[in-house]
Amino acid sequence: GAVVSQHPSWVICKSGTSVKIECRSLDFQATTMFWYRQFPKQSLMLMATSNEGSKATYEQGVEKDKFLINHASLTLSTLTVTSAHPEDSSFYICSALTDGNEQYFGPGTRLTVT
Amino acid sequence: GNSVTQMEGPVTLSEEAFLTINCTYTATGYPSLFWYVQYPGEGLQLLLKATKADDKGSNKGFEATYRKETTSFHLEKGSVQVSDSAVYFCALGQAGTALIFGKGTTLSVSS
Repeated sequence: GAVVSQHPSWVICKSGTSVKIECRSLDFQATTMFWYRQFPKQSLMLMATSNEGSKATYEQGVEKDKFLINHASLTLSTLTVTSAHPEDSSFYICSALTDGNEQYFGPGTRLTVT
Repeated sequence: GNSVTQMEGPVTLSEEAFLTINCTYTATGYPSLFWYVQYPGEGLQLLLKATKADDKGSNKGFEATYRKETTSFHLEKGSVQVSDSAVYFCALGQAGTALIFGKGTTLSVSS
């Protein structure tokens, strides 16, 4: 089946710094990828839709200047958390759509901001 | 808008007990329905899915039937194992769109 990877799997950063998370579709091309956020013991909430070659579409309440998304190729989308603060600590999960509209999830990235 | 409601947990069972986790949905159109499982510290794994009414998804002893008349997609397993302990998410999605997830139900199985 299709495989989606994320890097890093976990990261600790200091408050005020920026962190980049990569989401790659390893064996298929994905025009569309999604970024979700999961708080401890809670559900996944969609943050944004990432479209290759165009600007991301953000969900209401998600700060686009804080969570920068770049989908520069058909196999890579990146999420950069800028000027991170402790409240940004969370589990970030991406997913990628195949041509057949099947959605495959990455393993997630745990971000801890100290 | 579309939404998913699943039963609150945690659900605590003994090994070999019968499992039901209820899931109901509200949707326009004809979404696909999914159950995902998340083991501690890991990402989501697709457990099963159904794409149209009356379809039954099944995998690893788990089953769920897409019931349009009751807008439900309840997850069942006849005999749970300790290794089934995890968080289970019901989700719905239209083709090509992001998924909408329920809040998740934690299952704890003891031997």
